Amino acid sequence: GAGVSQSPSNKVTEKGKDVELRCDPISGHTALYWYRQSLGQGLEFLIYFQGNSAPDKSGLPSDRFSAERTGGSVSTLTIQRTQQEDSAVYLCASSPSSDSYGEQYFGPGTRLTVT
Amino acid sequence: AQTVTQSQPEMSVQEAETVTLSCTYDTSENNYYLFWYKQPPSRQMILVIRQEAYKQQNATENRFSVNFQKAAKSFSLKISDSQLGDTAMYFCAFKLNLNAGKSTFGDGTTLTVKP
Repeated sequence: GAGVSQSPSNKVTEKGKDVELRCDPISGHTALYWYRQSLGQGLEFLIYFQGNSAPDKSGLPSDRFSAERTGGSVSTLTIQRTQQEDSAVYLCASSPSSDSYGEQYFGPGTRLTVT
Repeated sequence: AQTVTQSQPEMSVQEAETVTLSCTYDTSENNYYLFWYKQPPSRQMILVIRQEAYKQQNATENRFSVNFQKAAKSFSLKISDSQLGDTAMYFCAFKLNLNAGKSTFGDGTTLTVKP
């Protein structure tokens, strides 16, 4: 079946503009994660959605970052008033509620460049 | 909070040889899960292998195996008979609950397999 998809694949924006990044998880997966990967660094956790529970927003770096998940499926990560330090690859992952292996399935990412 | 450390930013190995990637972590928990993910140059992250902390036996998946030392909080990945397709960035990850909650990732090790 289809994997996790993200759009756009690349986004170039000017400093101060708002951007929206989209994630389509695998159908039926109840958990959805957003991570940020800066050049040469590991994955930084941003936010986690699990079913209808309140999301874990503990990784959002500032109040310029927000995310929502509509209908338990598609998620949008919004960055307001973008800064150059927001430049990174933003990865989305999803996983089922019960899986004996605990794997997270990752999308291809959105490369964000703030000029 | 948990932390994951990968002390080797870059490594290289000759095709058909064996290479070991290091990972250490810090946690006060007794039960948890450890993962190795692979991110090829195309960027999509995939799971390589998983280890449950309560299992003493080291996990093995074909040419990939781990050396899990719980007391030392060490979780290294051994790749045998390295292939050109193994060239990728490898991330070690820690997860407290199998099907809930975020993962904590290390900064990654870039592995290059040389012909």
